[in-house]
Amino acid sequence: DVKVTQSSRYLVKRTGEKVFLECVQDMDHENMFWYRQDPGLGLRLIYFSYDVKMKEKGDIPEGYSVSREKKERFSLILESASTNQTSMYLCASSPGGGSHTEAFFGQGTRLTVV
Amino acid sequence: LAKTTQPISMDSYEGQEVNITCSHNNIATNDYITWYQQFPSQGPRFIIQGYKTKVTNEVASLFIPADRKSSTLSLPRVSLSDTAVYYCLVGDDGAGSYQLTFGKGTKLSVIP
Repeated sequence: DVKVTQSSRYLVKRTGEKVFLECVQDMDHENMFWYRQDPGLGLRLIYFSYDVKMKEKGDIPEGYSVSREKKERFSLILESASTNQTSMYLCASSPGGGSHTEAFFGQGTRLTVV
Repeated sequence: LAKTTQPISMDSYEGQEVNITCSHNNIATNDYITWYQQFPSQGPRFIIQGYKTKVTNEVASLFIPADRKSSTLSLPRVSLSDTAVYYCLVGDDGAGSYQLTFGKGTKLSVIP
């Protein structure tokens, strides 16, 4: 079974803190993605990566950065957390070969910034 | 990236067949159509994918007309456990793009 594991299920952080959300996949997938999900807004793509050390901005990259030093790990970084970053964050991975390949999601991290 | 449009929500009674239609007018030759299902508090999961005509698996059927500008996800005899958000995506099979973009999806509510 493909497994995408996010480091925390729930997280509470203070405004201004630097926050790291970690995601690990065990299927040697080339592509990895970070999304946030808010009521009524669906899933919005923050960043994605198609190879180690490669990253591309998604639709809402402002306030976020990412790191992919190893193929299996993709980290989302909130440099200075703000209350409007309170959300559910979902990580996904998929094999290479185009954007149509099946994506597998982690269980999500519900982040609250107070 | 081909943009998709689908209804925001749908209601259905248990045991009925549900059809959710997605429009993708600017679909490209290399694009495939993929549907995902998301239950509350979980990440989406892949349910079906097609390129043209009809695809069927144990969960759903996918109908794609010849012009491929729309597709219809068909769920036979829905049950309460089919209550979820369903997303339609269009993505290509080559090196054109790796971006995987979801929209707002269709929230299906199955009523007893």
